[in-house]
Amino acid sequence: KNEVEQSPQNLTAQEGEFITINCSYSVGISALHWLQQHPGGGIVSLFMLSSGKKKHGRLIATINIQEKHSSLHITASHPRDSAVYICAVSRTQGGSEKLVFGKGTKLTVNP
Amino acid sequence: GAGVSQSPSNKVTEKGKDVELRCDPISGHTALYWYRQSLGQGLEFLIYFQGNSAPDKSGLPSDRFSAERTGGSVSTLTIQRTQQEDSAVYLCASSFFLVGDSQYFGPGTRLLVL
Repeated sequence: KNEVEQSPQNLTAQEGEFITINCSYSVGISALHWLQQHPGGGIVSLFMLSSGKKKHGRLIATINIQEKHSSLHITASHPRDSAVYICAVSRTQGGSEKLVFGKGTKLTVNP
Repeated sequence: GAGVSQSPSNKVTEKGKDVELRCDPISGHTALYWYRQSLGQGLEFLIYFQGNSAPDKSGLPSDRFSAERTGGSVSTLTIQRTQQEDSAVYLCASSFFLVGDSQYFGPGTRLLVL
């Protein structure tokens, strides 16, 4: 079982729909990251969370530490939101840190 | 520049050759990370640096892979005797601090081993 599980793997939506992508993890973490990878391959860090909720424009990320679960929400989705969304957790062991990645959720928003 | 830069952007090489990939992190960022994304696969952690030292090399796939960082800035990832399975996009990221800071990703180097 992967340490970081995302669902769904693929998601197709119509423009304007509210979108939710889920991430569950099974290990202790220092932070959780949501990343966006566009078709050209570039990766952008969207959020870094250790508790609660963050909002940036139409994007909202939440995390529940007790349940080891995070969600990424996109309100009023738009075709330009089409990308792969990746959940990653920061694990700190003995002073060293690494990111462990989920497999990503491919989002397609149709006009 | 304002962001993380990597060079070359694309590299095609023959099996058995050595390749060197370069990463220029954001100025002042003390932590630097190398990742790999093989075709159709997720991101895979390779190695990270805190300053010039690499406390965790556990992600390097084999002893053909090595990395160094000099002056707390530029890093190079070297792959010796490349194999076809080394073909991937190699991504570099940097962050201001090591733990719990947002990472900024470079555009990646697409490596194709023929």
